[in-house]
Amino acid sequence: QKEVEQNSGPLSVPEGAIASLNCTYSGRGSQSFFWYRQYSGKSPELIMSIYSNGDKEDGRFTAQLNKASQYVSLLIRDSQPSDSATYLCAVKGPTGGGNKLTFGTGTQLKVEL
Amino acid sequence: DAGITQSPRYKITETGRQVTLMCHQTWSHSYMFWYRQDLGHGLRLIYYSAAADITDKGEVPDGYVVSRSKTENFPLTLESATRSQTSVYFCASSETNGLNQPQHFGDGTRLSIL
Repeated sequence: QKEVEQNSGPLSVPEGAIASLNCTYSGRGSQSFFWYRQYSGKSPELIMSIYSNGDKEDGRFTAQLNKASQYVSLLIRDSQPSDSATYLCAVKGPTGGGNKLTFGTGTQLKVEL
Repeated sequence: DAGITQSPRYKITETGRQVTLMCHQTWSHSYMFWYRQDLGHGLRLIYYSAAADITDKGEVPDGYVVSRSKTENFPLTLESATRSQTSVYFCASSETNGLNQPQHFGDGTRLSIL
């Protein structure tokens, strides 16, 4: 089983709708969670981080974390065509030599006009 | 604010050649990382460095060499390139490697080995 799992998509949503991106992870203990956006041919760009159970909102983005169920999600409200990208979930946790950031393979989001 | 820059952006070379990818950051971040990104695998850590002259292996280090003589530079060398090393390579940095510290990425180098 992979450490961080995401549905590869594509997830298609109409413009103005809410896009919901999900990520499940393995391992317990101290962990932090990050969402990166990656446009085609570009580098990953940090958009959200979350460390505690619950919701964290930043503009149109909301990250949700449920450690008991081991999932983290990203909601994008009022989706725009410019939100079309691949969204990478990343989990950071301690290993023998320090903290390690593990990425999922990403979910492709398409926002349609 | 230049941030983190990688060069070259694109590189084509042949099997058996040595190739070096450059990474330079202006943030004075302690930690620097090299990842490769391949379809179906996501981002995988090759090597990382905690400070000048301190480097350590990541998940897929075989065939790669790194050095860090200065805090701001972290070059990645493929000593004898193989076709399996065709990939997109990203350099990243973070101020520390604390649990809540995110990593920030350079624009990447697209490497093709023929």
